[in-house]
Amino acid sequence: AQSVSQHNHHVILSEAASLELGCNYSYGGTVNLFWYVQYPGQHLQLLLKYFSEDPLVKGIKGFEAEFIKSKFSFNLRKPSVQWSDTAEYFCAVNAYAGNMLTFGGGTRLMVKP
Amino acid sequence: NAGVTQTPKFQVLKTGQSMTLQCAQDMNHEYMSWYRQDPGMGLRLIHYSVGAGITDQGEVPNGYNVSRSTTEDFPLRLLSAAPSQTSVYFCASSYRRTGSYEQYFGPGTRLTVT
Repeated sequence: AQSVSQHNHHVILSEAASLELGCNYSYGGTVNLFWYVQYPGQHLQLLLKYFSEDPLVKGIKGFEAEFIKSKFSFNLRKPSVQWSDTAEYFCAVNAYAGNMLTFGGGTRLMVKP
Repeated sequence: NAGVTQTPKFQVLKTGQSMTLQCAQDMNHEYMSWYRQDPGMGLRLIHYSVGAGITDQGEVPNGYNVSRSTTEDFPLRLLSAAPSQTSVYFCASSYRRTGSYEQYFGPGTRLTVT
């Protein structure tokens, strides 16, 4: 069975600091990987996705992620965070049939102004 | 497009009661699914459907039933609510085409079972 691990449960940063959130998955075959974001009181929105092309994926709002196959990792990065990036971030890999996802446990990011 | 809609937004049940969480989408998506979100555990798949008349179990199906009589609707039924089912429930949908795996999520239903 596929599984996804997010190493940091809570992260607190000051504005303009750089961000890197770790994500590792366990699956031996071809994978599609995602980062979703959930802003306070809102539903999940797609930040970016990887589909076996360029391992460096750029998403919305200045986020990017790098797929490293040898490390089974898909870490999320942003060079300079803003207060508005305060949210919970979920890494996910596709599983089952029909595009269903296996999620990591999530990382709560708080950005202090 | 309204996207994925869910009702109700909030619900409180007593142990043993039954209820149905509603989910509808107007994007003509073939795939629909239900997840529950619990602190520290991310989202876990309850049931999913790859088309009308076809459903299957996900990671945590016990205590829940689903049916898919139309493309648009995918209700989730709690047969006999238990406190362990206190959670936030999200419905999601996506297209059935290669290379387009983005799932669109509804706003969620916060359920409390006392």
